[in-house]
Amino acid sequence: GQQLNQSPQSMFIQEGEDVSMNCTSSSIFNTWLWYKQDPGEGPVLLIALYKAGELTSNGRLTAQFGITRKDSFLNISASIPSDVGIYFCAGPRLRDDKIIFGKGTRLHILP
Amino acid sequence: KAGVTQTPRYLIKTRGQQVTLSCSPISGHRSVSWYQQTPGQGLQFLFEYFSETQRNKGNFPGRFSGRQFSNSRSEMNVSTLELGDSALYLCASSLVLAGYNEQFFGPGTRLTVL
Repeated sequence: GQQLNQSPQSMFIQEGEDVSMNCTSSSIFNTWLWYKQDPGEGPVLLIALYKAGELTSNGRLTAQFGITRKDSFLNISASIPSDVGIYFCAGPRLRDDKIIFGKGTRLHILP
Repeated sequence: KAGVTQTPRYLIKTRGQQVTLSCSPISGHRSVSWYQQTPGQGLQFLFEYFSETQRNKGNFPGRFSGRQFSNSRSEMNVSTLELGDSALYLCASSLVLAGYNEQFFGPGTRLTVL
């Protein structure tokens, strides 16, 4: 069935570095969603993408909806300590609109 | 306005018991979805309720059930608990069906089955 594969699974970076993560699927999606989850909290929507090729920013975050509709990318510029957390991609399956999630990219920032 | 609230936040049960989790959506939101989050499987969709009707269901056994009340509040029940049911159970609400609208998540209920 439709699955979302996120990479990398985890990242260790220095504060101030830029971060890139991606999400791929063998099937197309019409909507891509990026969420962040802080420890002890539920995920929070960061960016929603609705159109192939769309590039959307939210502060230091930028996400792109891949032109093939089978992938999406999230970039974080100039990382800061509060960027630590798990980043999930998600999207509604075409056949039944169930929202499915990738397994997440865990971001660690080294002191 | 208040966010999505879930009660209880933490729960410890033993195998074979049953449990009921509660979710109060954001005021005005009519859709409530439930997810199970585990380290190995990530976030997995359980079911979605809209206007008191189950609209979508994930691939979980019949031990997992839910319902939604006329005020949009939702409950999730797990019967005959198994060790593998230990997880963070997240509830999310949206104005209309989740596939068409932003979902807002609650903080989750951490269930531990001993």
